[in-house]
Amino acid sequence: GQNIDQPTEMTATEGAIVQINCTYQTSGFNGLFWYQQHAGEAPTFLSYNVLDGLEEKGRFSSFLSRSKGYSYLLLKELQMKDSASYLCAVRDRTYKYIFGTGTRLKVLA
Amino acid sequence: DGGITQSPKYLFRKEGQNVTLSCEQNLNHDAMYWYRQDPGQGLRLIYYSQIVNDFQKGDIAEGYSVSREKKESFPLTVTSAQKNPTAFYLCASIYPGAGGDTGELFFGEGSRLTVL
Repeated sequence: GQNIDQPTEMTATEGAIVQINCTYQTSGFNGLFWYQQHAGEAPTFLSYNVLDGLEEKGRFSSFLSRSKGYSYLLLKELQMKDSASYLCAVRDRTYKYIFGTGTRLKVLA
Repeated sequence: DGGITQSPKYLFRKEGQNVTLSCEQNLNHDAMYWYRQDPGQGLRLIYYSQIVNDFQKGDIAEGYSVSREKKESFPLTVTSAQKNPTAFYLCASIYPGAGGDTGELFFGEGSRLTVL
């Protein structure tokens, strides 16, 4: 089976850096994904890691360690609009995507 | 423009009634998915389909049914057997194995079902 854990809620200050962790257990790992979701809306894609290491895309970076079953999403220069839920998801080789429960991030002025 | 269309956006149903949520995509994607989201929660997989005329149960398939008669369409029926159907339902699709695969699931805007 698959299991994904991430913190329920985090708070950070505008302009700061925040790291959202995700640990997972899965068979047939085929990629880890991060999505952003604002309340009442569909998720939007942020990043994809299938090999170990860091992927950077603007203010957002995502890291993966397959041996540890661990990933994090790093958000730099936080803005108020970054207040949202951040969903970690794992894909297996049958292209089944399983999502974690999400981390609600509050950015304070 | 290509995309995924879900309808209706809002739906109210009385207890004991079946209801069907529509999901149509014109992205030429092979794989399609249905997720359920409850307030403050993540997405839970109901059913997914990798190819026409084939689909697999997700983690919470009980009380739901799907069909995949056409590549473009993957309707979800919420049956009266689903004990607590009030939720936000999201449909998604992907073209597995495409060159330059970013893994991105493309989502519809969602359907919000309320049982009265």
